[in-house]
Amino acid sequence: QKEVEQNSGPLSVPEGAIASLNCTYSDRGSQSFFWYRQYSGKSPELIMFIYSNGDKEDGRFTAQLNKASQYVSLLIRDSQPSDSATYLCAALIQGAQKLVFGQGTRLTINP
Amino acid sequence: GAGVSQSPSNKVTEKGKDVELRCDPISGHTALYWYRQSLGQGLEFLIYFQGNSAPDKSGLPSDRFSAERTGGSVSTLTIQRTQQEDSAVYLCASSLAQGWASNEKLFFGSGTQLSVL
Repeated sequence: QKEVEQNSGPLSVPEGAIASLNCTYSDRGSQSFFWYRQYSGKSPELIMFIYSNGDKEDGRFTAQLNKASQYVSLLIRDSQPSDSATYLCAALIQGAQKLVFGQGTRLTINP
Repeated sequence: GAGVSQSPSNKVTEKGKDVELRCDPISGHTALYWYRQSLGQGLEFLIYFQGNSAPDKSGLPSDRFSAERTGGSVSTLTIQRTQQEDSAVYLCASSLAQGWASNEKLFFGSGTQLSVL
């Protein structure tokens, strides 16, 4: 079982709709979780991190964490074509203190 | 420097040759990671350096891969006797890693595109 798992997609969403990206993790001790966005041919960039159960909102982005169920999600409201990218979920593995990434979900926003 | 610097940006080599990839992290960042990303895939963890601690080498795919970090700053990833399956983008990232989630933010370099012919 991979430490962090994501549906690789592609996920296609119409412009203006809500895009929902999901991630599960296996290490129950993981405390911090991160969402990175990667445009084609570019390096990943951090868009959000979360470490408390519940929701965390930043502009059009909302990260959700449920430690009991070991999943993290990212919601993108009012999706724009510029949101089209691969979204990478990452978990900070407790003890090892290393950041492990999922395989990423490719998101396409259709105008 | 202002960001994480990697060199070379592109490297084409012949099967069986050795290659060295360099990473210069952001000044003051104690944590340094190497990841590998094959075309259309996620980030595969390779190795992690944190301060003066022994590196976490658990992600290195074979003994042909090694890395060192000199003086807690610049890191070199070496691949010996390269194989075609080593072709990928090798990304380096650094962070403050002071135990707070916000300080775990990774800053990535632009990567080295390695092509083994």
